[in-house]
Amino acid sequence: DGGITQSPKYLFRKEGQNVTLSCEQNLNHDAMYWYRQDPGQGLRLIYYSQIVNDFQKGDIAEGYSVSREKKESFPLTVTSAQKNPTAFYLCASSMEFYSEAFFGQGTRLTVV
Amino acid sequence: DQQVKQNSPSLSVQEGRISILNCDYTNSMFDYFLWYKKYPAEGPTFLISISSIKDKNEDGRFTVFLNKSAKHLSLHIVPSQPGDSAVYFCAAILGNEKLTFGTGTRLTIIP
Repeated sequence: DGGITQSPKYLFRKEGQNVTLSCEQNLNHDAMYWYRQDPGQGLRLIYYSQIVNDFQKGDIAEGYSVSREKKESFPLTVTSAQKNPTAFYLCASSMEFYSEAFFGQGTRLTVV
Repeated sequence: DQQVKQNSPSLSVQEGRISILNCDYTNSMFDYFLWYKKYPAEGPTFLISISSIKDKNEDGRFTVFLNKSAKHLSLHIVPSQPGDSAVYFCAAILGNEKLTFGTGTRLTIIP
């Protein structure tokens, strides 16, 4: 079945460590996105990619990095520079940049 | 600067009655609007959308209304069912720009 897969579902990290969240899609979508959800703040865009080997900063990119070496993969690295990394992270993809986005199941990251 | 706003963080509705979720936006150039539904610890799922050239779109129990002069859209769910209890996000697209999401409204359906 086609879909978008995020792993792991739960992730714990010690302060000062980098951690990478995986996002894979087999929908043949060109565009991929990373969002962060915090209580009372909705979904905020971290990074997005419209095409392979290209990505752009979203509204809250500081402390994060991404890569888009393959069409189906868009991993997000939460670096030690991110001041408040504990959150629910959502990856999404869409056929075109301005079309309906399909979301993965999310990864809850907790920094201990 | 929140361009898409959902001013009601929560809403409770009796089962079988109508649920009305509201969303306001500030940018009159938005040309496409979407509603997503989200259960806890899951990703949002697309529910229904509407183009800015329309004022209504209906899909089963779900209807979205768009009032461009008021920069307001609403999602109506009739009749409301227990499985509708979730957080609902409205989102807007401007041209080929990114999706902009509202802050969400938690809908609780009371049996």
